[in-house]
Amino acid sequence: ELKVEQNPLFLSMQEGKNYTIYCNYSTTSDRLYWYRQDPGKSLESLFVLLSNGAVKQEGRLMASLDTKARLSTLHITAAVHDLSATYFCAVDQGAAGNKLTFGGGTRVLVKP
Amino acid sequence: ETGVTQSPTHLIKTRGQQVTLRCSSQSGHNTVSWYQQALGQGPQFIFQYYREEENGRGNFPPRFSGLQFPNYSSELNVNALELDDSALYLCASSFGQGLLQETQYFGPGTRLLVL
Repeated sequence: ELKVEQNPLFLSMQEGKNYTIYCNYSTTSDRLYWYRQDPGKSLESLFVLLSNGAVKQEGRLMASLDTKARLSTLHITAAVHDLSATYFCAVDQGAAGNKLTFGGGTRVLVKP
Repeated sequence: ETGVTQSPTHLIKTRGQQVTLRCSSQSGHNTVSWYQQALGQGPQFIFQYYREEENGRGNFPPRFSGLQFPNYSSELNVNALELDDSALYLCASSFGQGLLQETQYFGPGTRLLVL
């Protein structure tokens, strides 16, 4: 059974500093996703990582994938208040096709 | 191009009742997946439909059932509601099947409260 673990569960950030969220998963996978969720809202797709060594960046967020270590990281550079949200990683079970197993989420709060 | 829509947005039911949630997929998408997200947790995969056929199911009991229609819209039905069924139910649509399936897009969700 595929398991996806995120840490930390909660991250209190100071504006302007850098932070990293970690996502570990237990079996091989072809695709890893990062999503953002604001309170009471749906999921917003941030990144899709398709291969070992993949790195994607959008604004202050950068995601990377190490399939050998079964680890993905979401790095936040110079945090700003607008990045306060819950971040989820999710793993696609190989040929299953968008049958995602999600981590428990990392709740991020950026303080001024 | 319209995005994924879901109805209703909120719903209150009592234990033992039945509920039907609806999802309209994004234009051009033929695959719909349903997820249950309990408060404070990550979403859990319920099942997926591709071209009106169930195409995979998560660890949910048979009282969770679904349909996909020729226009690729979908319904999630839950019978004999239990208190633990209270959650945000998310629908996601995409195009294709298996590894060829493109990225899925999530709808706004239906928040179900079971009393």
